Amino acid sequence: EAQVTQNPRYLITVTGKKLTVTCSQNMNHEYMSWYRQDPGLGLRQIYYSMNVEVTDKGDVPEGYKVSRKEKRNFPLILESPSPNQTSLYFCASSWADPTSKQYFGPGTRLTVT
Amino acid sequence: GESVGLHLPTLSVQEGDNSIINCAYSNSASDYFIWYKQESGKGPQFIIDIRSNMDKRQGQRVTVLLNKTVKHLSLQIAATQPGDSAVYFCAEGGAGNNRKLIWGLGTSLAVNP
Repeated sequence: EAQVTQNPRYLITVTGKKLTVTCSQNMNHEYMSWYRQDPGLGLRQIYYSMNVEVTDKGDVPEGYKVSRKEKRNFPLILESPSPNQTSLYFCASSWADPTSKQYFGPGTRLTVT
Repeated sequence: GESVGLHLPTLSVQEGDNSIINCAYSNSASDYFIWYKQESGKGPQFIIDIRSNMDKRQGQRVTVLLNKTVKHLSLQIAATQPGDSAVYFCAEGGAGNNRKLIWGLGTSLAVNP
């Protein structure tokens, strides 16, 4: 089954404790992206990757890091999480670019206290 | 399910009626438009897209209309069903080298049985 998986689905952590949210797709897609979703603000792009070893900042990259060492994986790293990073996070992938049909993961609910 | 948006515009329809969800876009250079559906507790899911060289495109029970003169996009859902209850996002894109998507804030559709 074609899918995007994210782990963990739920995470409660404390300020400053480094964490990684994993994202993996099994569709051999070139493009991958991370979004955060907050009430009233819609979907905001954090980082994206057009291909392996190629990553770029989205609209809200501050406080986040990503890497794309393999085509299928695109982890999101929070080196020192803060409460304002409490949000719902989605990973997505598509075969070419953001205007190709994007497949979204199920989401990761992160709470930073 | 998880709340993905507070204070969203809400459209309430009776089961079996037709629904029309509207979206104003901002960039006259955008050449691609897309609708996503997000059910409670899930990631967004592609519904239908349209290129700027078209003014109408039909899918299964859905139709997207594009009016470039007034920069307006609409999604029509025929014979709305309870399973159509969700938040609907429009997005515009294609301008620029990375073909970035600009997302709307979403409209909540509630289907009354």
